[in-house]
Amino acid sequence: DQQVKQNSPSLSVQEGRISILNCDYTNSMFDYFLWYKKYPAEGPTFLISISSIKDKNEDGRFTVFLNKSAKHLSLHIVPSQPGDSAVYFCAASAKTGANNLFFGTGTRLTVIP
Amino acid sequence: ETGVTQSPTHLIKTRGQQVTLRCSSQSGHNTVSWYQQALGQGPQFIFQYYREEENGRGNFPPRFSGLQFPNYSSELNVNALELDDSALYLCASSLAFGLAGKYEQYFGPGTRLTVT
Repeated sequence: DQQVKQNSPSLSVQEGRISILNCDYTNSMFDYFLWYKKYPAEGPTFLISISSIKDKNEDGRFTVFLNKSAKHLSLHIVPSQPGDSAVYFCAASAKTGANNLFFGTGTRLTVIP
Repeated sequence: ETGVTQSPTHLIKTRGQQVTLRCSSQSGHNTVSWYQQALGQGPQFIFQYYREEENGRGNFPPRFSGLQFPNYSSELNVNALELDDSALYLCASSLAFGLAGKYEQYFGPGTRLTVT
């Protein structure tokens, strides 16, 4: 039962353009959402997060949007750079229980120079 | 500030054997979580430790067990290894969940376990 879904396994974008990575979730108890970036042979690196009381959070080139009614979030990267090429994971945690993360299956972003 | 470290980097074991993986938390963090990442999948939560006690567990059998030490470092033990246990095992540290909200988890590089 995949509670966090990333339906696009891969995405290719031209350098300088916008990258939009999407994520859907099913559990209405999720109240905190995170994006991680993962390079080969490394652990996931925290990128940006958003609480369910907000609908947007921005950090430099990275912006996360949350649409609670649609149970959907997206990560925008503007402008995209070749160094952004990695696998991006969406993750969520719930109001109750341990602060464990539920991850999607990841989207491989390739930024073409 | 020291990040999360894990050892060993790679490990090959035979079915039925036991394995111990180790993790040192990021400085100042008192909670450690372990995740299993199979090929092509996202990380799956195994369990979490806070103040040396198990603080939550995912859908993993009891042969997966753990420890947290007073210095917040941690071990993951897996008994009676099965072929399907082959995966990347990730350790993440964080501050304990508090009334103020959630805290991000910071991951180590992982231990790649291969069971043959």
